Amino acid sequence: SAVISQKPSRDICQRGTSLTIQCQVDSQVTMMFWYRQQPGQSLTLIATANQGSEATYESGFVIDKFPISRPNLTFSTLTVSNMSPEDSSIYLCSVDNSLNTEAFFGQGTRLTVV
Amino acid sequence: AQTVTQSQPEMSVQEAETVTLSCTYDTSESDYYLFWYKQPPSRQMILVIRQEAYKQQNATENRFSVNFQKAAKSFSLKISDSQLGDAAMYFCAYRSGLSRNTPLVFGKGTRLSVIA
Repeated sequence: SAVISQKPSRDICQRGTSLTIQCQVDSQVTMMFWYRQQPGQSLTLIATANQGSEATYESGFVIDKFPISRPNLTFSTLTVSNMSPEDSSIYLCSVDNSLNTEAFFGQGTRLTVV
Repeated sequence: AQTVTQSQPEMSVQEAETVTLSCTYDTSESDYYLFWYKQPPSRQMILVIRQEAYKQQNATENRFSVNFQKAAKSFSLKISDSQLGDAAMYFCAYRSGLSRNTPLVFGKGTRLSVIA
């Protein structure tokens, strides 16, 4: 199994500012996934982050709004830029086990934009 | 594209009783994995149970079991002897088995309440 440390666990931010969320994994992983969970909703994939290349974004999500870094095989960051109240959500990072048969999740970051 | 449907937004069960959560999915693939994840108020996503599509036998993990009907594309979760700690959001999820490192596709979730 993989242990993921995600920071911060929660934050309240002013609109127009940016927040960077960090995910640290205790083992090397090829892909890291970033999901958004809007209040009372399911998880929606934002992007897939592969080390050494640009992240691949899903429809409706753009790099200018959600820039992602993946400097090595154990770490990734997601930035929520120029925030508005509509960005208030839980953001989760996820990685696979080595057999790609199971996904592990960070504890989530609850973001509130005021 | 694959889709996952959970038709029960909310369910409730008496403590010690049994409850079944429904999930259907749509895919043209023959190789895939199905999961049930639990999300308590702590927000942590916890894997409850996993089913490989090529396995005919239904997966079981202690009080949790699934009824996997591949032809019907149905994947329900049965929780036996429900406990107060089972109260959470439950998400059904699909993953393609055709390539490595593919993300999960989630259903909308079912909120389970356990009544003492």
